[in-house]
Amino acid sequence: QVKLLQSGAALVKPGASVKMSCKASGYTFTDYWVSWVKQSHGKSLEWIGEIYPNSGATNFNEKFKGKATLTVDKSTSTAYMELSRLTSEDSAIYYCTDTTPFAYWGQGTLVTVSS
Amino acid sequence: IQLTQSPSLLSASVGDRVTLSCKGSQNINNYLAWYQQKLGEAPKLLIYNTNSLQTGIPSRFSGSGSGTDYTLTISSLQPEDVATYFCYQYNNGFTFGSGTKLEIK
Repeated sequence: QVKLLQSGAALVKPGASVKMSCKASGYTFTDYWVSWVKQSHGKSLEWIGEIYPNSGATNFNEKFKGKATLTVDKSTSTAYMELSRLTSEDSAIYYCTDTTPFAYWGQGTLVTVSS
Repeated sequence: IQLTQSPSLLSASVGDRVTLSCKGSQNINNYLAWYQQKLGEAPKLLIYNTNSLQTGIPSRFSGSGSGTDYTLTISSLQPEDVATYFCYQYNNGFTFGSGTKLEIK
């Protein structure tokens, strides 16, 4: 069955960067887009961007251009998202998910930005 | 495309028929999905393409709508349906609604 296993929670300082992972199993990783979604505490969901593992092609929500970098490692079926120049506004749970309309989700990675 | 969900909070009794609304700022062309999110969990896909029931989802959940106006209906509310429900459009970019929190009266 399809599984998306995300890396653990991170506590990072303002101005720093964080890189999280999403390991896929149960399907052909290179055949489907992987998306990332942000959920701030108690709030709704925002689509950040997506990456096509086979080619590395990416699409982004304009709001997250320059903030998020998406990469993959095809050899381990793992997608990565790096967030840079972190502020308190970046504190949130980040989910990886599959191709829209997102039937499969990771368990989420909690990022806390605090000094 | 912006999505407006109403109401933001809904309280209903077990067995009630419940209707949640999602309105788009533009035509969504039926590329509309619904998710259920329970506390501490990732969202779960319930409905896609307006009215297609995701595998494994109980038949008491149904979706309808067209153009800019869409609805999620729970035919008989169960205690395990307590959650926040989000609509999501994928016709033009990808955007989520602000959610409807559903609780038992």
